[in-house]
Amino acid sequence: DTGVSQNPRHKITKRGQNVTFRCDPISEHNRLYWYRQTLGQGPEFLTYFQNEAQLEKSRLLSDRFSAERPKGSFSTLEIQRTEQGDSAMYLCATSRGANEKLFFGSGTQLSVL
Amino acid sequence: DQQVKQNSPSLSVQEGRISILNCDYTNSMFDYFLWYKKYPAEGPTFLISISSIKDKNEDGRFTVFLNKSAKHLSLHIVPSQPGDSAVYFCAARNQAGTALIFGKGTTLSVSS
Repeated sequence: DTGVSQNPRHKITKRGQNVTFRCDPISEHNRLYWYRQTLGQGPEFLTYFQNEAQLEKSRLLSDRFSAERPKGSFSTLEIQRTEQGDSAMYLCATSRGANEKLFFGSGTQLSVL
Repeated sequence: DQQVKQNSPSLSVQEGRISILNCDYTNSMFDYFLWYKKYPAEGPTFLISISSIKDKNEDGRFTVFLNKSAKHLSLHIVPSQPGDSAVYFCAARNQAGTALIFGKGTTLSVSS
């Protein structure tokens, strides 16, 4: 396993700009999750995919957020019209299946100025 | 409302002693519990897990205990080492298995 890869590691943007993050899963992991972590909190679930199908979205995922996983491989998370409250670490995790442990990437740290 | 609670934000232990990290949960539908460890600037790393049908699981220096009646689990690290210094997250999974729900974490500091 080469591990879950996330890019970029850091992103600084101005309020109102759009940003996109990428996650490359461990090969053959068909489940992919996005989490958000803010200071002093644990990771909070945003959404997950089984292969290319997005099966669940948290109510934390506002209309400004969209995630895709074309062809069931890498995934992107886009935030439109960023707000200062979007500043957080965005974590991607993958697993082989429904009842398997999650492997996390190193995250993308977003700072909205 | 938080379904997984780690009420101690931090814990300091001397090297060689036991570290005990606690976690409480409110949802009786949770069927699987996990502990993750996180170093700064890295993603969480899986440490150990336990199914709700068991009350103990051991892996080397790490043991997790589950008390279903009290909705409480704990992670024991014996002996503690300076390299164990990290943030520890308790997580729970519901029977639908859709996503893990994490606590806020406990920062463990092991001094030599």
